[in-house]
Amino acid sequence: QSALTQPPSVSGAPGQRVTISCTGTSSNIGAGNAVHWYQQLPGTAPKLVMFDRNSRPSGVPDRFFGSKSGTSASLAITGLQAEDEADYYCQSYDTSLGVWVFGGGTKLTVL
Amino acid sequence: QVQLQESGPGLVKPSETLSLTCTVSGDSVRNYVDYWSWIRQPPGRGLEWIGYIFHTGRTKINPSLESRVTISADRSKNQFSLKLNSVTAADTAVYYCARGHGDYVRDNRFDPWGQGTLVIVSS
Repeated sequence: QSALTQPPSVSGAPGQRVTISCTGTSSNIGAGNAVHWYQQLPGTAPKLVMFDRNSRPSGVPDRFFGSKSGTSASLAITGLQAEDEADYYCQSYDTSLGVWVFGGGTKLTVL
Repeated sequence: QVQLQESGPGLVKPSETLSLTCTVSGDSVRNYVDYWSWIRQPPGRGLEWIGYIFHTGRTKINPSLESRVTISADRSKNQFSLKLNSVTAADTAVYYCARGHGDYVRDNRFDPWGQGTLVIVSS
């Protein structure tokens, strides 16, 4: 069981907006630790798409938006495109466990 | 452009030691700001952080694996390595190396990642 909880799957039609949630606890997200998001296309390594709540690495389109409140964080993708279909993982640091933790992953399907 | 590349055996027998190396290009394992990590992903499952090494040689290992894991670095070759002993089938996974970076170590994000290497534990 992952320290961070994500929905197993979300879906949306091209052009729509989807949101992926990441629920933590007072020892990770709620402790003020940064939340980062990764996109993993089938058969490839995870790729950083959002860091420090709402900063995008170079090359990541501004259709990706991050937010954080209390013990939860979210990744929103607007103007959904077929190329966005992938697994998405959130990540933070757990102060109690002393380790970096990931969510269980959310499979985004573009209908 | 920073690139990481894992290498090592793809098949390890139960009870033996898994050994992997990550070769870094475009950056240095000697730099003062980054933490060089190993992360694994069992087939069809999520990600698990294994541990990191810092330029000083200091390491931090996930407590769940601490008794079996050693991480080291060869600065002359710009590489860092993972050893996981007494492996079982539960250690079958894709193993990734990644660079950790953040304003504070606890806020480390992993970027970039190596392509990953599948290690199967089986007799």
